[in-house]
Amino acid sequence: KAGVTQTPRYLIKTRGQQVTLSCSPISGHRSVSWYQQTPGQGLQFLFEYFSETQRNKGNFPGRFSGRQFSNSRSEMNVSTLELGDSALYLCASSAGAKTRDSPLHFGNGTRLTVT
Amino acid sequence: GDSVTQMEGPVTLSEEAFLTINCTYTATGYPSLFWYVQYPGEGLQLLLKATKADDKGSNKGFEATYRKETTSFHLEKGSVQVSDSAVYFCALSDLNDMRFGAGTRLTVKP
Repeated sequence: KAGVTQTPRYLIKTRGQQVTLSCSPISGHRSVSWYQQTPGQGLQFLFEYFSETQRNKGNFPGRFSGRQFSNSRSEMNVSTLELGDSALYLCASSAGAKTRDSPLHFGNGTRLTVT
Repeated sequence: GDSVTQMEGPVTLSEEAFLTINCTYTATGYPSLFWYVQYPGEGLQLLLKATKADDKGSNKGFEATYRKETTSFHLEKGSVQVSDSAVYFCALSDLNDMRFGAGTRLTVKP
């Protein structure tokens, strides 16, 4: 079974640009979550989607948005990029509706560098 | 709200040494507890989990026991290998959210 796939693996953008990251979950998984990982802040939850609906959202500005398609694939978009948005963005999928017993399966992430 | 606190690193050990990484949690309900591991250049992988008090999760020689009385889920391994060098994250999950600790970097030297 293929794992969670994130594309692209690396991105370099300049301040003010926008970026779209893509995530394909494990086949059959309907929940997709996004996390931002930085050395200073650790893992921070961005948002979670289940069956094309955003179920949960972290404490990030409106420049960060996402969506999920009917095939469970998900994208996240960051507009008006800032230097502080440089991070590893991780996508994770899970089999259930984010129940307490469903572990997350992570992709290898997209490394975004904003210059 | 719910939170996870794990021991700060980095931790450096010699091969075959005993490993303990402390993790404590705060939760209002009855969460599930997890340990994830992140190898360089990769995403997080589930290492082990426990879903109720006194459960012991184990995998690849690692163990952790869900202790409700001390709200802890410490990770242990009797004999570490160089290949165990990675960042380890403790996490808890309730019905709505999964929260991660800050991560502990482990380096094992031959």
